[in-house]
Amino acid sequence: AQTVTQSQPEMSVQEAETVTLSCTYDTSESNYYLFWYKQPPSRQMILVIRQEAYKQQNATENRFSVNFQKAAKSFSLKISDSQLGDTAMYFCAFRSGYALNFGKGTSLLVTP
Amino acid sequence: SQTIHQWPATLVQPVGSPLSLECTVEGTSNPNLYWYRQAAGRGLQLLFYSVGIGQISSEVPQNLSASRPQDRQFILSSKKLLLSDSGFYLCAWSDEGQGGFVFGSGTRLTVV
Repeated sequence: AQTVTQSQPEMSVQEAETVTLSCTYDTSESNYYLFWYKQPPSRQMILVIRQEAYKQQNATENRFSVNFQKAAKSFSLKISDSQLGDTAMYFCAFRSGYALNFGKGTSLLVTP
Repeated sequence: SQTIHQWPATLVQPVGSPLSLECTVEGTSNPNLYWYRQAAGRGLQLLFYSVGIGQISSEVPQNLSASRPQDRQFILSSKKLLLSDSGFYLCAWSDEGQGGFVFGSGTRLTVV
């Protein structure tokens, strides 16, 4: 079974600074997809960024980028120029087949 | 464009009462449909998924059941609610590929 581990339950960053959220996963699959989801206080799940395992190039979406290390099974999220609206729970997720498996999340607080 | 609707947004039910949560998707055909539960302060747990009408897979044995009476309709039910059924329930859909899931706005269920 695939497992996703987020080792940082809570993090804090000042506005305009950069923060990196960690995620590791365990799988025997060779083809899979990785995602970061954001859940603000409204609890709506919002897709932030996705990465295909067969692509070596790290995905980037505006201020959000990932560091995908396939051999190490690591998938960290970097948020640059943090904004107050980035305050949310962030979930790392793994997909191989039908299901999407989530880590337990990292609560990120952006302070002024 | 595709949209997903989930209702009700909030529900307070007594122990032993029945439950019916509904989710519908618009703008796509034959979506994969999912029910997740999020307990307070925890990650998302996959409860059920469906890849077609009448096809339901259960990930966790429990007091709940799911049905898919129409292509774009997914229902989560219980005959008798338990206190442990309290939580935040999210419906989601995805396509056949390996794209990310799109989530509904969720239902906060409190069993009293």
